[in-house]
Amino acid sequence: AQKVTQAQTEISVVEKEDVTLDCVYETRDTTYYLFWYKQPPSGELVFLIRRNSFDEQNEISGRYSWNFQKSTSSFNFTITASQVVDSAVYFCALRHGSSNTGKLIFGQGTTLQVKP
Amino acid sequence: KAGVTQTPRYLIKTRGQQVTLSCSPISGHRSVSWYQQTPGQGLQFLFEYFSETQRNKGNFPGRFSGRQFSNSRSEMNVSTLELGDSALYLCASSLGNTPNTEAFFGQGTRLTVV
Repeated sequence: AQKVTQAQTEISVVEKEDVTLDCVYETRDTTYYLFWYKQPPSGELVFLIRRNSFDEQNEISGRYSWNFQKSTSSFNFTITASQVVDSAVYFCALRHGSSNTGKLIFGQGTTLQVKP
Repeated sequence: KAGVTQTPRYLIKTRGQQVTLSCSPISGHRSVSWYQQTPGQGLQFLFEYFSETQRNKGNFPGRFSGRQFSNSRSEMNVSTLELGDSALYLCASSLGNTPNTEAFFGQGTRLTVV
């Protein structure tokens, strides 16, 4: 079975703090893809990153960084020096690599509140 | 490049009615997927269309159906609405020719069933 778990339901930090959002996944596929999306109050899911199962390199994009560890089936997301504009719901998602499908399996999401 | 467009943005329907939601994908994208988002169940996959064919289907009753047109635009239909169908319905567009691509989402249609 495929499953994504985001154990943190809500996180509240003060601006400029660093924050890490956890994501643990389950899959039997050897090839799969992991994603992070941000959902601001407007409702649209904004794509942040895609990672292939065979590429364990960490990635940094500005204040955002991602740590992918196959050994622990985790794909964690860190925001450095958080800002109020980072307040949103963040979703981690998993996609099969073994079949040609666009289906995404989402975690329950983590609501991040950044206070000024 | 225009993003994914969903219409309408808001809908209020009465129990028992039916509703049709529309999604225009990004130009050149051939895959359109639909998701239902509720506070209790989170984001759940409804179905995916690729080149006018349903390629994958989630675990929803037959009241939920969809289709895709030759220009890749997609519609989803919910018949005999129930109160529990109240949700944000999101459409995602992608190239679809490989799973190694990102999906881009529209702003959603918020359906309220009263």
